[in-house]
Amino acid sequence: DIQMTQSPSSLSASVGDRVTISCQASQDINNYINWYQQKPGKAPKVLIYGASHLEPGVPSRFTGSGSGTEFTFTITSLQPEDIGTYYCQQYERLPWTFGQGTAVEIK
Amino acid sequence: QLQLQESGPGLVKPSETLSLTCTVSGGSTSSGTYYWAWIRQPPGEGLQWIGCIYFTGSTYYNPSLTSRATISLDTSSNQFSLKLNSVTAADTAVYFCATRAMVRGPFDSWGQGTLVTVSS
Repeated sequence: DIQMTQSPSSLSASVGDRVTISCQASQDINNYINWYQQKPGKAPKVLIYGASHLEPGVPSRFTGSGSGTEFTFTITSLQPEDIGTYYCQQYERLPWTFGQGTAVEIK
Repeated sequence: QLQLQESGPGLVKPSETLSLTCTVSGGSTSSGTYYWAWIRQPPGEGLQWIGCIYFTGSTYYNPSLTSRATISLDTSSNQFSLKLNSVTAADTAVYFCATRAMVRGPFDSWGQGTLVTVSS
């Protein structure tokens, strides 16, 4: 299986801060990575697909970058509604696997 | 976007079979457009892909479930289902049904999730 190592596991930042989450794949996944946001009691929602493509309707403060095995998800200006847990997920190879998640809170 | 809704018992006894159904609206399970998938999340933990089925009936499973999972498609009812046998407390989780379009990568439609507890 491809392991997705996500860091940090949690972070606390102020409104307006730039927030960065990393995801390292155990092997080259090309750009086959998605990023999701999950709020408590809700299903995940896709924000970024294919490493850097913004899902329609998602605010442009969410961005993704990277290639190969190293990927980054950024919130350029953290907003109060962005609190939740963020997951990366690879779809290069079965079984499709998720990172462990990053819990984001407002300081 | 599709609308998905999970249904099934919320409590299953150890060693028995967990059975869930996902009802699809806004699209057809006989469409070749999607993978129809199950994903679970133990309380307070991360997401685990269980498996998926394509409209041809082809199935793909997470090997970590050691062949306990079976996913099937009922195109006449526009539903797909999950059976997980020989359950233990470790199978207690919120179970989501979800879809992934063949030409795109992400799971872009999800059900609301249903909590299944394994307990005697």
